[in-house]
Amino acid sequence: RKEVEQDPGPFNVPEGATVAFNCTYSNSASQSFFWYRQDCRKEPKLLMSVYSSGNEDGRFTAQLNRASQYISLLIRDSKLSDSATYLCVVLGGSYIPTFGRGTSLIVHP
Amino acid sequence: GAGVSQSPSNKVTEKGKDVELRCDPISGHTALYWYRQSLGQGLEFLIYFQGNSAPDKSGLPSDRFSAERTGGSVSTLTIQRTQQEDSAVYLCASSIDRDQPQHFGDGTRLSIL
Repeated sequence: RKEVEQDPGPFNVPEGATVAFNCTYSNSASQSFFWYRQDCRKEPKLLMSVYSSGNEDGRFTAQLNRASQYISLLIRDSKLSDSATYLCVVLGGSYIPTFGRGTSLIVHP
Repeated sequence: GAGVSQSPSNKVTEKGKDVELRCDPISGHTALYWYRQSLGQGLEFLIYFQGNSAPDKSGLPSDRFSAERTGGSVSTLTIQRTQQEDSAVYLCASSIDRDQPQHFGDGTRLSIL
């Protein structure tokens, strides 16, 4: 099993749709989790950290399920500008960051 | 500027040459990371520094790759005797501490002819 796995997609959704991505991780000792977005030929940009209690930032909601070892990202009311690749990042006990391969989202009119 | 700065933005060099890539982290960030990303691929972790120390160098692809960080600030990634498979975007990131979110520079696009 890969350390961090994501469905590569692409997820193709209309504007206004709600879409959710999952990211599974194998190291039960992992402590910190983040979501990034990466636009084509650009650097990754932090979207949000993922806290045990779950957290929300506008249209974006992130959740952590330690028992099943996955994190999720929910995007409500999708915009065209949300089209990007979404990367999950997991920090293990040694603080080595592991990035998922990313999930591609395409929002169409 | 306030962000992570990398130089050069682009580097084209001949196979067999040595290259040096530079990263200026955000001021006050103790952790600094190097990654590389080939076209259409995910991020490959290379090395991270906490202060000037690199706790884990196992991500470096071969002994042609080395990195150092001085003064808890600037870092350089050196690739000796470059090969065509070294062509990629090399990304640097820094974080205020090693368990905090990372902020990325724009990257150096390296092309080996």
